[in-house]
Amino acid sequence: NAGVMQNPRHLVRRRGQEARLRCSPMKGHSHVYWYRQLPEEGLKFMVYLQKENIIDESGMPKERFSAEFPKEGPSILRIQQVVRGDSAAYFCASSSWTSGGRSYEQYFGPGTRLTVT
Amino acid sequence: GENVEQHPSTLSVQEGDSAVIKCTYSDSASNYFPWYKQELGKRPQLIIDIRSNVGEKKDQRIAVTLNKTAKHFSLHITETQPEDSAVYFCAASWGDSNYQLIWGAGTKLIIKP
Repeated sequence: NAGVMQNPRHLVRRRGQEARLRCSPMKGHSHVYWYRQLPEEGLKFMVYLQKENIIDESGMPKERFSAEFPKEGPSILRIQQVVRGDSAAYFCASSSWTSGGRSYEQYFGPGTRLTVT
Repeated sequence: GENVEQHPSTLSVQEGDSAVIKCTYSDSASNYFPWYKQELGKRPQLIIDIRSNVGEKKDQRIAVTLNKTAKHFSLHITETQPEDSAVYFCAASWGDSNYQLIWGAGTKLIIKP
């Protein structure tokens, strides 16, 4: 059972360009979370999605950032017109939901390290 | 809003000694409490978790304790080894939805040889 996959692992963009980060959840998982992590800092929640639905985007900047999780294919975090402050590691995690409605652990992907030059 | 406080931010212990990291949470509806370990340059990985119907859980050298009344939970690592050096994050489920986690700020654990 493949784990959570993210690509690319490293992404370099010039200021003003667009960055697209992809996340394929674990098989059977329908919940995806995106986090941002600056060097030497903690995990900052950005957005929580289920298939075709954004459930909570309270941690995502209102401008330039968007996320989707289509019915088919990976979840995508899109950053338009990147700035130097967007340089960070972006992790996605996935989880499943048991029929009993109990929470389930989040499994993280390897992350995408975005560098804006 | 709801939050999770984690202490200490940095912990340095001699190899072979025990390490304890503590977290407090504010949401009384939280019922799931995982701990993650993140080595330098790697992804966070779940190392142990506990649910609110249990007071303690052990897995070899790692244990987690939960005090629901006081709303705090702790990670205990015994007989520490150099490979335990990492950043550790605690988290608590958000309300009764169980779909999201509120994260602590992390503890950098340094094992001195």
